[in-house]
Amino acid sequence: NAGVTQTPKFQVLKTGQSMTLQCAQDMNHNSMYWYRQDPGMGLRLIYYSASEGTTDKGEVPNGYNVSRLNKREFSLRLESAAPSQTSVYFCASRLGGGLAGYTFGSGTRLTVV
Amino acid sequence: AQSVTQLGSHVSVSEGALVLLRCNYSSSVPPYLFWYVQYPNQGLQLLLKYTSAATLVKGINGFEAEFKKSETSFHLTKPSAHMSDAAEYFCAVSDLNTGNQFYFGTGTSLTVIP
Repeated sequence: NAGVTQTPKFQVLKTGQSMTLQCAQDMNHNSMYWYRQDPGMGLRLIYYSASEGTTDKGEVPNGYNVSRLNKREFSLRLESAAPSQTSVYFCASRLGGGLAGYTFGSGTRLTVV
Repeated sequence: AQSVTQLGSHVSVSEGALVLLRCNYSSSVPPYLFWYVQYPNQGLQLLLKYTSAATLVKGINGFEAEFKKSETSFHLTKPSAHMSDAAEYFCAVSDLNTGNQFYFGTGTSLTVIP
């Protein structure tokens, strides 16, 4: 089925460990996004990529890096995980800006101990 | 700056009763407004969107929302709640200035009582 695929679905990390969250979309969308979702805070934008080859910081970029590997794939890396990064991470994509709605992946639940 | 306020983090309704979830926005230019639904352990799905074509917008699963510029509101309604409507609902705003960025509200958790 067409959509946004995120891996892994669950992950437990120790403080200081690193990991990469993978995201791929097969809808030929130009823009891709990484959000984190925390209780009572809604979704907050970490990084986004308006088009292949570009990335920009969102509201909460500290502690994260991203790579837009090609049009399909947009990865999120935690270099040195901290307990404050315990969250549910969502990747999303859309065709363009403004009017276009997002298509979301099913999320990665990350726990940092 | 754009922002969204969702009044009521938790709403409970009886099955068959009216559902009303409130959303107020702040935007310096005409906004694009969206409602998303999130079922447990799933990603967000688009319910409906306002893009200035019509002030009353109909979405999936019997939901609709009305854009009221004078009240800067975009409340979500459904005439008769169903058990399957229990979920988290998010309002979001975007506009020509923000381009690629959405701003999400903090969400409203809807409980449907049998």
